Amino acid sequence: DQQVKQNSPSLSVQEGRISILNCDYTNSMFDYFLWYKKYPAEGPTFLISISSIKDKNEDGRFTVFLNKSAKHLSLHIVPSQPGDSAVYFCAASSSYNTDKLIFGTGTRLQVFP
Amino acid sequence: DTAVSQTPKYLVTQMGNDKSIKCEQNLGHDTMYWYKQDSKKFLKIMFSYNNKELIINETVPNRFSPKSPDKAHLNLHINSLELGDSAVYFCASSQGVFRSGGYLSYNEQFFGPGTRLTVL
Repeated sequence: DQQVKQNSPSLSVQEGRISILNCDYTNSMFDYFLWYKKYPAEGPTFLISISSIKDKNEDGRFTVFLNKSAKHLSLHIVPSQPGDSAVYFCAASSSYNTDKLIFGTGTRLQVFP
Repeated sequence: DTAVSQTPKYLVTQMGNDKSIKCEQNLGHDTMYWYKQDSKKFLKIMFSYNNKELIINETVPNRFSPKSPDKAHLNLHINSLELGDSAVYFCASSQGVFRSGGYLSYNEQFFGPGTRLTVL
């Protein structure tokens, strides 16, 4: 039972444009969401997070939007840069099991010049 | 300085062997984790330890045994390796959860570079 889903396995965007990566979840107990970025042969690195008390969190070029009623979150990267090319994982956690992150299967983003 | 390190980076072994993967973090974190990323790219938690105590133990065969000699180290020992154990194993650490303004805030998990295990 996959509780966190990233339905787009890949995304290709031109440099300078906006990249939008989507994530859906099924467990209404999730109240904290994170995005991780992963380069080949490296471990995932934390990018940005959002608590369920908010619907938006912004950090530089990265913004995460949370729609609790739709159980959907998205990561916006603007402007996209070639260095953003990586696999992006969405993850979720709940306050009754704080240490347990549930990851999606990732979306491979390619930013081309 | 590497924050979370794992050794070895690659491990190729025969079915039935016993092997260990070591993990060390120099971030002063209290909590450490082991994750498995299988061929379908699912990244799933296996174990977590907080101050050397087991907190999470997912449905993992008991051939897998984590050992935490101190809070900076969490090693993974695997007995009687099987073909299905082939995967990338990631270690991670975090400072855990804290309360801020009445709300829970989570400290992110920092991941090691992974160990690619291939069982032949």
